[in-house]
Amino acid sequence: GNSVTQMEGPVTLSEEAFLTINCTYTATGYPSLFWYVQYPGEGLQLLLKATKADDKGSNKGFEATYRKETTSFHLEKGSVQVSDSAVYFCALSESASKIIFGSGTRLSIRP
Amino acid sequence: DGGITQSPKYLFRKEGQNVTLSCEQNLNHDAMYWYRQDPGQGLRLIYYSQIVNDFQKGDIAEGYSVSREKKESFPLTVTSAQKNPTAFYLCASSIEYNYGYTFGSGTRLTVV
Repeated sequence: GNSVTQMEGPVTLSEEAFLTINCTYTATGYPSLFWYVQYPGEGLQLLLKATKADDKGSNKGFEATYRKETTSFHLEKGSVQVSDSAVYFCALSESASKIIFGSGTRLSIRP
Repeated sequence: DGGITQSPKYLFRKEGQNVTLSCEQNLNHDAMYWYRQDPGQGLRLIYYSQIVNDFQKGDIAEGYSVSREKKESFPLTVTSAQKNPTAFYLCASSIEYNYGYTFGSGTRLTVV
């Protein structure tokens, strides 16, 4: 079946460092891909999405490109801030019935 | 502002009691979902509903029940048959699956 695999955390970086969180997927067909962010004690917020191959989603300085040839959707940010500390989830839309989530990657940013 | 409201934020119940978690949305979304999140883990789908008066089991439906009598509301009941109910429960809605989900702020259930 379809699945999402993302890099295990925690990831700890210094402020202004470059961020990459890897995400790869297995899917039949042409799913949409998403990155969600979860701050402590809260629900998930949609960060960005891409609906077809070579699309680039972007929001708040974060970017991810839908790479069909490598089945990847890696999250990147050029200069992280302390406020970016959160858990990040990669996800894909399997069908009209549900979205499949990865296990999450905890990111901590040191001042 | 439109959104999803989950209540209460924290809930404590004694073992063996049923408990109902509320989820209300004013986004006019047709589809609604319930997920369970355990510490350090991803989200697991409990139930989903794509239309009023219809719902489907997800991956871990045993010990849970839902209803969808109104478009705006999708309450989840955690029954005494759920063997390990302590978790963080998240409700979500969607206008169309390729647009992604809007999540509520969650209910943390602790069974003692």
